[in-house]
Amino acid sequence: DVKVTQSSRYLVKRTGEKVFLECVQDMDHENMFWYRQDPGLGLRLIYFSYDVKMKEKGDIPEGYSVSREKKERFSLILESASTNQTSMYLCASSLRTSLRSYNEQFFGPGTRLTVL
Amino acid sequence: GESVGLHLPTLSVQEGDNSIINCAYSNSASDYFIWYKQESGKGPQFIIDIRSNMDKRQGQRVTVLLNKTVKHLSLQIAATQPGDSAVYFCAENGGYSTLTFGKGTMLLVS
Repeated sequence: DVKVTQSSRYLVKRTGEKVFLECVQDMDHENMFWYRQDPGLGLRLIYFSYDVKMKEKGDIPEGYSVSREKKERFSLILESASTNQTSMYLCASSLRTSLRSYNEQFFGPGTRLTVL
Repeated sequence: GESVGLHLPTLSVQEGDNSIINCAYSNSASDYFIWYKQESGKGPQFIIDIRSNMDKRQGQRVTVLLNKTVKHLSLQIAATQPGDSAVYFCAENGGYSTLTFGKGTMLLVS
């Protein structure tokens, strides 16, 4: 079974702090994704990576950055946390596909981040 | 169905009934449409997908219908059980295996 783990289930930070959210997958997937989930807004893609050291902006990248130094690990960084970044953050991974195709995304359990 | 804003549409059904969850999608160029289920405290989990050249696909107790003319997707769950209570998301594929998710529908089974 694919396993996607996230470093914390719950996190409380203060405005202006630098925040690291870590995600690790154990199935040698090429693609990794970071989403945020807010009530009534569904999942919105922040950043994704289709290979080590590669990153692409999603729909809402402002205020975030990412790092993919190893294939199994994808980190989301909030350089200076703000209260509007209070949210549930979900990491996912999938096998590589051709450009127009897709492979199932496997999700971690999520990190609920509160910024005070 | 899906909606804009903070309100999460809710569908309440009795155990044993059939459930139908609807979704309107936006990109007529998407090749795949997918349904995910998210139980409380967990990440979304894949249920079923359908390719754009199909109208219907059946799984175990679930059926997905695709109407490309009106850009509409539905998930039918037969003989709904309490374990089906969750938030259901439709999604459509973009490039590089990215997905664009709908806003979700909560299914409550009593």
